[in-house]
Amino acid sequence: AQKVTQAQTEISVVEKEDVTLDCVYETRDTTYYLFWYKQPPSGELVFLIRRNSFDEQNEISGRYSWNFQKSTSSFNFTITASQVVDSAVYFCALSEATRDDKIIFGKGTRLHILP
Amino acid sequence: SQTIHQWPATLVQPVGSPLSLECTVEGTSNPNLYWYRQAAGRGLQLLFYSVGIGQISSEVPQNLSASRPQDRQFILSSKKLLLSDSGFYLCAWGGAARADTQYFGPGTRLTVL
Repeated sequence: AQKVTQAQTEISVVEKEDVTLDCVYETRDTTYYLFWYKQPPSGELVFLIRRNSFDEQNEISGRYSWNFQKSTSSFNFTITASQVVDSAVYFCALSEATRDDKIIFGKGTRLHILP
Repeated sequence: SQTIHQWPATLVQPVGSPLSLECTVEGTSNPNLYWYRQAAGRGLQLLFYSVGIGQISSEVPQNLSASRPQDRQFILSSKKLLLSDSGFYLCAWGGAARADTQYFGPGTRLTVL
């Protein structure tokens, strides 16, 4: 069965520090997709990244970077030089492409960036 | 570009009253549509999804129902609200491709008193 675990419930860091959000997934499929979403205090989920299981290349987008490691079934998200605007709940998610179009979300990590 | 709208933004309803939440998508055709609920504590629960007009799949048995009367319109309803229906309701759309990205609307915050 598919499952996404975000073990860090809540993290607080001081502004400008780097922070990594962990995500571990479980799936029996060889074809799957991983996602990260950001939910700021306004509530709307904002899409950040989608990565398929055949592409293990790490991705960098500005201060954001993602480390995908199939060997450990992890898809971790790092924010470099954090800013107060990064404060939000971050969700990791998984979709098994061979089954249906449903996305399974982790429980989220609440990130506090302290000024 | 595609946009997704939800209304109302907030709603306070008494127990036992009916509910109708609406979601519409612009800028795309034949999207997959989804209703999620997020109770206090953050977890996202998929309630319904639809791959076409009149096609609704229910994920969780409850007193809620969904309908898709038009291609880009998705409605969440209840005949009688329960206290446990309180939460943040999010609508999302996705493309027809397998495991396509889902894009979320601004949400409706429902409080049942």
